[in-house]
Amino acid sequence: DTAVSQTPKYLVTQMGNDKSIKCEQNLGHDTMYWYKQDSKKFLKIMFSYNNKELIINETVPNRFSPKSPDKAHLNLHINSLELGDSAVYFCASSQEASYNSPLHFGNGTRLTVT
Amino acid sequence: KQEVTQIPAALSVPEGENLVLNCSFTDSAIYNLQWFRQDPGKGLTSLLLIQSSQREQTSGRLNASLDKSSGRSTLYIAASQPGDSATYLCAAPNFGNEKLTFGTGTRLTIIP
Repeated sequence: DTAVSQTPKYLVTQMGNDKSIKCEQNLGHDTMYWYKQDSKKFLKIMFSYNNKELIINETVPNRFSPKSPDKAHLNLHINSLELGDSAVYFCASSQEASYNSPLHFGNGTRLTVT
Repeated sequence: KQEVTQIPAALSVPEGENLVLNCSFTDSAIYNLQWFRQDPGKGLTSLLLIQSSQREQTSGRLNASLDKSSGRSTLYIAASQPGDSATYLCAAPNFGNEKLTFGTGTRLTIIP
């Protein structure tokens, strides 16, 4: 009965590879997000989708491509992985825009690029 | 652009004490402010969302206050317990868009 679930929990891969992270929420929320938390624990938004439509694209390299097949899913595909992509990626959801209702986070995907 | 600061970065207190965590933000034109806790290896858990029209919001032993004019919010934890040990983050929205800016958090350790 996990509210926001993302897979995998850990991802170790080499530079240049392409990888995907999946996220699903069963809360019936309209808005989903991807956040990146770096080694200094700084949390920054990457993308936001509302009802499958892109709302926020926060100057993220175009190697990162989110895809929302329906409003319960928001996946993140990363091409040509670089060392600097190593971080923890969090999926989140909210009923409304993030400044109007509480955010619910998944447990994160720790990506390590070697 | 909204900037959010949390000082101190780390705090240790004995079990049973009351404590206050601080959050400062630069843009006071906010609709609300959220407090979260993050446990090691986990995502963030929403604790309280305090609207700009409110001055305080309470949930159990937690009480959040918001003073827009001074750009400050506090999270008060009463009768602290070891299970309260976690990193606490606040987040304030950027006026005019849907982005939240997070502070870097205060890592709280409750000493048994």
